[in-house]
Amino acid sequence: AQSVAQPEDQVNVAEGNPLTVKCTYSVSGNPYLFWYVQYPNRGLQFLLKYITGDNLVKGSYGFEAEFNKSQTSFHLKKPSALVSDSALYFCAVRDEGGNTGKLIFGQGTTLQVKP
Amino acid sequence: ETGVTQTPRHLVMGMTNKKSLKCEQHLGHNAMYWYKQSAKKPLELMFVYSLEERVENNSVPSRFSPECPNSSHLFLHLHTLQPEDSALYLCASSQASGGARTPETQYFGPGTRLLVL
Repeated sequence: AQSVAQPEDQVNVAEGNPLTVKCTYSVSGNPYLFWYVQYPNRGLQFLLKYITGDNLVKGSYGFEAEFNKSQTSFHLKKPSALVSDSALYFCAVRDEGGNTGKLIFGQGTTLQVKP
Repeated sequence: ETGVTQTPRHLVMGMTNKKSLKCEQHLGHNAMYWYKQSAKKPLELMFVYSLEERVENNSVPSRFSPECPNSSHLFLHLHTLQPEDSALYLCASSQASGGARTPETQYFGPGTRLLVL
């Protein structure tokens, strides 16, 4: 069965420092992976996705994610964190079964960036 | 965020009430989704509509009843809910071109925060 795991409930980082939010996945075929961000009282906003090709995917707001097939990981990164990056981050994988576009989400990681 | 709108943004209802949540997408997409987001739990997919046909129903209790009258609108009708149904209900849409090889991006609305008393 496909699954996504975000091993950290919360990540704390100081403003200006690099940040990493971790995600590992389990799929039987080729993984299609997504990152979304959710600000308080808002819906999810799409950040980036990996389909194929370059292992480093660049997305919105200066975020990027590195696909690592051998480690089955898709960690979200940013070179220099901003206080405004504080939010809830979700990793997701496309469900391989069916044609519904269904996403399987991780449990989310709260990012706290302190000034 | 204006691509997918949801109303109302907040709703308080008693267990005997009937209410409806509305979602509208302005992106020209052909697939729409309802998710439930509860505290400390992963997002739960409830229903998927593709080309106005329900293609997935994830064992959701019958007190939740979806309706998709056209590709731009999606409703979730609520009837005799329980307090544990209190959650954020998110709507999303995507352009589904079919097949597991097409990882289309889902775009989410802001959600309806539901409280059942």
